[in-house]
Amino acid sequence: SQQGEEDPQALSIQEGENATMNCSYKTSINNLQWYRQNSGRGLVHLILIRSNEREKHSGRLRVTLDTSKKSSSLLITASRAADTASYFCATANAGNNRKLIWGLGTSLAVNP
Amino acid sequence: EAQVTQNPRYLITVTGKKLTVTCSQNMNHEYMSWYRQDPGLGLRQIYYSMNVEVTDKGDVPEGYKVSRKEKRNFPLILESPSPNQTSLYFCASRRGTASNQPQHFGDGTRLSIL
Repeated sequence: SQQGEEDPQALSIQEGENATMNCSYKTSINNLQWYRQNSGRGLVHLILIRSNEREKHSGRLRVTLDTSKKSSSLLITASRAADTASYFCATANAGNNRKLIWGLGTSLAVNP
Repeated sequence: EAQVTQNPRYLITVTGKKLTVTCSQNMNHEYMSWYRQDPGLGLRQIYYSMNVEVTDKGDVPEGYKVSRKEKRNFPLILESPSPNQTSLYFCASRRGTASNQPQHFGDGTRLSIL
């Protein structure tokens, strides 16, 4: 079953702009992860945020987590054409710490 | 280089002809998993394995088999493939059994069952 729901489904921006993607989920979680998938390739792990964390940074990526709203956002600053990809959130439920539940993804296009 | 390797990358075959998709990881990971990715349905887990000789069903196991005889290998077997198994398949691994570690994915296998 799908828990994470990303929005928007698709996003198109110009190089240099910031891109924000959101993920909402339904149940209490242990952690939330963001992955990137380039066309025709496997998913690549970007960042993991635990349920007791509110914000994490990694390079140009900033992830926030609001457990009261059951939502997370991924911000990519100063986007580049190479950031064009699909972005997925995955949640690990508090009751089942082994399995990830995946959203349907946000397709990001960064135009040169 | 740390990686998950799937073979083949592409396969077109016919209904009922048994096939195996291999998956191998060189990171000594305990946990391995198979997913299928379909438009509008996202990633769905087929089977997973916590360690050698330990496998369990995911969300969509029907029509698939797996085995974990060695830590590095986790083949996906379609005994009698059908057209509804046409999909993009991914193998993934992670160091431990808990979810608080990143998963590493192979580059995918695109299967077409005619």
